[in-house]
Order: sequence, then C-alpha cells, then structure tokens
Amino acid sequence: QKEVEQNSGPLSVPEGAIASLNCTYSDRGSQSFFWYRQYSGKSPELIMSIYSNGDKEDGRFTAQLNKASQYVSLLIRDSQPSDSATYLCAVNKGAQKLVFGQGTRLTINP
Amino acid sequence: EPEVTQTPSHQVTQMGQEVILRCVPISNHLYFYWYRQILGQKVEFLVSFYNNEISEKSEIFDDQFSVERPDGSNFTLKIRSTKLEDSAMYFCASTRQNDQPQHFGDGTRLSIL
Repeated sequence: QKEVEQNSGPLSVPEGAIASLNCTYSDRGSQSFFWYRQYSGKSPELIMSIYSNGDKEDGRFTAQLNKASQYVSLLIRDSQPSDSATYLCAVNKGAQKLVFGQGTRLTINP
Repeated sequence: EPEVTQTPSHQVTQMGQEVILRCVPISNHLYFYWYRQILGQKVEFLVSFYNNEISEKSEIFDDQFSVERPDGSNFTLKIRSTKLEDSAMYFCASTRQNDQPQHFGDGTRLSIL
C-alpha cells in the first residue's frame, strides 16, 4: 500500500465549478497534512495546511481532514484557468520529512 | 516575503563527476531538507538536517550523498560520483518548526550525461 495515494487524473473541471481533489494516507500516526500546487517545471507551492479533523477554509480553497478514515481533500471553488496545475498531497508523520503523493493533474476548461 | 533560493538553476555534469547544489534557506528557519523529483514522478525525500546534523535520511541518500551547512546561511548537497539515474530536479526546503509547512526553493535541474 502506498503511503500517500492520490488519483493521478487528469481531472477536468469547467471554469467556475468546484474542483475536488482527494488523498488517502496509510500511517495513522500522521500528524500534519499539506496541499501543494506544482506548475509544470516549477517547485511545489504551499496552498493549505491542516492539522485537526474538520474543514479549514482560505479564500477559494477548503481543506478537509478525516483522521478516522485517513482521508484528506481539497476543494477549489470558482475554479479559474490559472488553477490548472498538479496538486500534491503531502503528509508529515512526525518524522522530519514530508511524504508526497503522486499528484493529481487538474485542468480547468474555460 | 522571504524565500528559499537555490543555485544553479540548471547543472549539466558528466557521469562520475562530483556536483554541489547550493541552497540558502529562509533566515529564521531551523530545519532544512533536500528532496528530488525525477521527471514525471513524485517528489521524494532525501534528507533532513537540524542543529548541524542529519536528522533523517532516505534509502536514496547513500554514501555518494552528503550535506553540509558550511556557514550561517548556506546548505549544500554534494553528490560525489554522479550516475545517470541522479538526473532529476533537486529541491531544497526549510521550515521554522518540523511540523509546520515546508517552503521550497525553485529547484536545481541536474542533468547527468
């Protein structure tokens, strides 16, 4: 079982709609969860962090965490073409490293 | 906003040669990391560094790899004898506390010929 698992996509969403990205992780001891955005050829850019169960909202982005189900998600409201990128789920197990998923490629269609 | 800076942006090296990748972490950060991303693959952890020593390293980080903080600002990754499979993007990251978000530099694209 992969430590952090994401659907690789591509996920295609019309402009203005809600994009929903999902991630599962295997280690119940994981403590911190992050969503990064990565444009092609660029470095990961932090979008959201979440540490406790529930929802966390920041502008058009909402992160959701369910530790019982070992599930993290990211919702992007009012999707824009500039949101087209690969979204990386990363988990910190309390060890001094991030474990990344494969990433989900998101395309927003005008 | 402070950022992590990496140099060079692109390094081309002959197989078997040594290469040093350089990073300047954000100034008040205490934890430093190197990751790599082979083209089309996921970001992989290499090593973490705190208080002037390695905290954790992955299986990838074998005897050919080393890290150093030679002064108060730089953090380097050295690959002693490069192999073709070392070709990848190498990202440096830093954070103030180890459970806080890590901030990534723009990366160094390493091409081994």
